[in-house]
Amino acid sequence: DGGITQSPKYLFRKEGQNVTLSCEQNLNHDAMYWYRQDPGQGLRLIYYSQIVNDFQKGDIAEGYSVSREKKESFPLTVTSAQKNPTAFYLCASSGGQSGSDEQFFGPGTRLTVL
Amino acid sequence: GQSLEQPSEVTAVEGAIVQINCTYQTSGFYGLSWYQQHDGGAPTFLSYNALDGLEETGRFSSFLSRSDSYGYLLLQELQMKDSASYFCAVRDRRSGYSTLTFGKGTMLLVSP
Repeated sequence: DGGITQSPKYLFRKEGQNVTLSCEQNLNHDAMYWYRQDPGQGLRLIYYSQIVNDFQKGDIAEGYSVSREKKESFPLTVTSAQKNPTAFYLCASSGGQSGSDEQFFGPGTRLTVL
Repeated sequence: GQSLEQPSEVTAVEGAIVQINCTYQTSGFYGLSWYQQHDGGAPTFLSYNALDGLEETGRFSSFLSRSDSYGYLLLQELQMKDSASYFCAVRDRRSGYSTLTFGKGTMLLVSP
């Protein structure tokens, strides 16, 4: 079955530590996205990538970094510079084949900083 | 920049009809999408409007007025499983690429 996987589902981190969230898709989509969601809030764009080895900052990129070495993978690193990293992180991809450019989301990773 | 406004919460009973409104301000507007998210789950795509008018998909319909920067999602014959958060999202272009900017979401509570 085609889809997007994110791991782990729950992640705990001590203050001052970097942590990397995994996102893999087998939908053969060119575009991938990372969003952050806080309780009762919408999704805010962190980074996005339209092709391998290229990515752009979204609205809240400070304290985060990404890489796109393979089409299928778009890992997000939450660095110690991120002041308030506790949140629900969602990865998405889109193929650009439909007019809506529908995005398909993974199940998310819930990060808690202790 | 982009901004979207939608009500924070709407309540309704099973079998009823509910309308969730969305107003937006953006440059480079391409269309308005709607996504559904159950508590703790992944958002899923519901509909997309690029042109003015009504799009119908089963019990759900979506409307867009580009001149008014306004759209709505209409849910008919409400079921308990429709209790979820609904997000409108503007499709626009940044650095030549298509992106979505989401509203803060409307929590729909359907009661028996």
